[in-house]
Amino acid sequence: DAGVTQSPTHLIKTRGQQVTLRCSPKSGHDTVSWYQQALGQGPQFIFQYYEEEERQRGNFPDRFSGHQFPNYSSELNVNALLLGDSALYLCASSLGGQGDNYGYTFGSGTRLTVV
Amino acid sequence: AQSVAQPEDQVNVAEGNPLTVKCTYSVSGNPYLFWYVQYPNRGLQFLLKYITGDNLVKGSYGFEAEFNKSQTSFHLKKPSALVSDSALYFCAVRAYNTDKLIFGTGTRLQVFP
Repeated sequence: DAGVTQSPTHLIKTRGQQVTLRCSPKSGHDTVSWYQQALGQGPQFIFQYYEEEERQRGNFPDRFSGHQFPNYSSELNVNALLLGDSALYLCASSLGGQGDNYGYTFGSGTRLTVV
Repeated sequence: AQSVAQPEDQVNVAEGNPLTVKCTYSVSGNPYLFWYVQYPNRGLQFLLKYITGDNLVKGSYGFEAEFNKSQTSFHLKKPSALVSDSALYFCAVRAYNTDKLIFGTGTRLQVFP
């Protein structure tokens, strides 16, 4: 039973560029949430996708966007990268948008470095 | 505003001794509380959660947590620490009427042989 898979594991981008991160949820899960974890900080909620729509959004600018595909996998896109976007990006999957009941499963993350 | 506080950046304990990692919360409605552990260059691993019921929650790897409503606390405990428990621990609360988690800043647990 595969857990949450994220790709790539590491990425280096130049300021101003665009980046796409990918996430495949745990088998049987249909909801994907994205978190940003800056160095020395706790994860911060970016947004959640359920039924191919953005259901909830945290305090992140519109440069952060996403998508969910019919197979429940998801992408996180960040445009016009800033140095401050350097962080570990975590994907968490759950079922029916009810992570508290059915559990959230986190991937190992994508480490993004913006230079 | 809903929030989680982990007052200690680091906790040091000798192997075999009991450990406590502190967490306090502020939420609207009933609190749904979680503990996660993060090893270097890894994602978050679920330890335990409190939704309702018994105030003492037992989780993975011998960890447990005590929910105290009057003190708005959810401290993580283990009777006998192992060197392999050394990691970064996060307390989290589910934000009211949403499915998103609000995390504390984390506590680094260092267990010395």
